Amino acid sequence: DSGVTQTPKHLITATGQRVTLRCSPRSGDLSVYWYQQSLDQGLQFLIQYYNGEERAKGNILERFSAQQFPDLHSELNLSSLELGDSALYFCASSLSGGTQYFGPGTRLTVL
Amino acid sequence: TQLLEQSPQFLSIQEGENLTVYCNSSSVFSSLQWYRQEPGEGPVLLVTVVTGGEVKKLKRLTFQFGDARKDSSLHITAAQPGDTGLYLCAGAGNFGNEKLTFGTGTRLTIIP
Repeated sequence: DSGVTQTPKHLITATGQRVTLRCSPRSGDLSVYWYQQSLDQGLQFLIQYYNGEERAKGNILERFSAQQFPDLHSELNLSSLELGDSALYFCASSLSGGTQYFGPGTRLTVL
Repeated sequence: TQLLEQSPQFLSIQEGENLTVYCNSSSVFSSLQWYRQEPGEGPVLLVTVVTGGEVKKLKRLTFQFGDARKDSSLHITAAQPGDTGLYLCAGAGNFGNEKLTFGTGTRLTIIP
């Protein structure tokens, strides 16, 4: 158990819909990272927050957004969903940088 | 764009054999992490290497970071069925650029 929690575990929705994925970092960790894992693209970095502020952006679509709240939990919002958005979404946390610990992931299926 | 190439992509060997997985890049990383991932679960950290030339041992697993901090290897001695899984290397940049760039992965199967 990494100490990072993610909800929900599974999510099934239809094209065009909007979903929110939630992540709680390890106790004391200030940085939260979001990654997407698909069969053809592997693990890809989406976005990083540090202590409530956006720190780095990766290959994140404009339809996707994230935020980190004062209690340091984070949410990833995915809108106007397409079939190709089906993937595993992982959250990771670290103290400030350095070693990242991953949550169990949310499996998103868009039908 | 930083890329990490892992080889081999797939490896299937008999229990008791030794194996090495390679992780190569043209970019320099401040640190490199190795993870193992089971199907449907998150990557689990095995080790972090930081210093060029560093060697770390974790029971039957030996990790090495290249002198130039561009490449790494994972050597498993006397592989066991419990070693089966997807092995991922991931490189991190310096402070302010801590995102992980993941390798292409090596799917290892140990046959009893």
